[in-house]
Amino acid sequence: DTEVTQTPKHLVMGMTNKKSLKCEQHMGHRAMYWYKQKAKKPPELMFVYSYEKLSINESVPSRFSPECPNSSLLNLHLHALQPEDSALYLCASSQGPGTPPYEQYFGPGTRLTVT
Amino acid sequence: KQEVTQIPAALSVPEGENLVLNCSFTDSAIYNLQWFRQDPGKGLTSLLLIQSSQREQTSGRLNASLDKSSGRSTLYIAASQPGDSATYLCAVRQDTDKLIFGTGTRLQVFP
Repeated sequence: DTEVTQTPKHLVMGMTNKKSLKCEQHMGHRAMYWYKQKAKKPPELMFVYSYEKLSINESVPSRFSPECPNSSLLNLHLHALQPEDSALYLCASSQGPGTPPYEQYFGPGTRLTVT
Repeated sequence: KQEVTQIPAALSVPEGENLVLNCSFTDSAIYNLQWFRQDPGKGLTSLLLIQSSQREQTSGRLNASLDKSSGRSTLYIAASQPGDSATYLCAVRQDTDKLIFGTGTRLQVFP
């Protein structure tokens, strides 16, 4: 099974709301990723968790807060977002450092609209 | 800084044609290169992964080649079908746990 699941599929939130995106994989992967994708653009890396520790933060604003409660779950907590944060948020996973071939598997994404 | 570009940006072809999508990267020090397909508003589906030591990979009607020294990869699609219509993205992995994506090629195959 090479499935990464994401919930919710769609999310509309106001600028004062707090919400969370969830990602789950059961492939035994030890690296998990959050990407942001704007329309007609390639995905941009936001965060990488390796063995449940944050290993890469691509200078993402603090209104985005990632969390990795265990090796199968990845959350992205959202607070005080701006309309320009509206995008498709993609989660991915891979086997992790030291375990090639490092193929990344992506979930279906959450379409976020900030009003 | 690694830069990945894809040519053409968009392509519209009749069903049955054989296609070549191009991907170029500026830094040849890559670990692997991955080709993805993305349908509108959906996630990415991994098509093929080529390790830096490999020259090509094949899956069904798809064949991807890699020339690391010249910084190029091609995705060959044989006998294209309307169901192949999507955006195709290439991405390179270097020594950090990051994928750097190309700009994408939007493919439309019409009946």
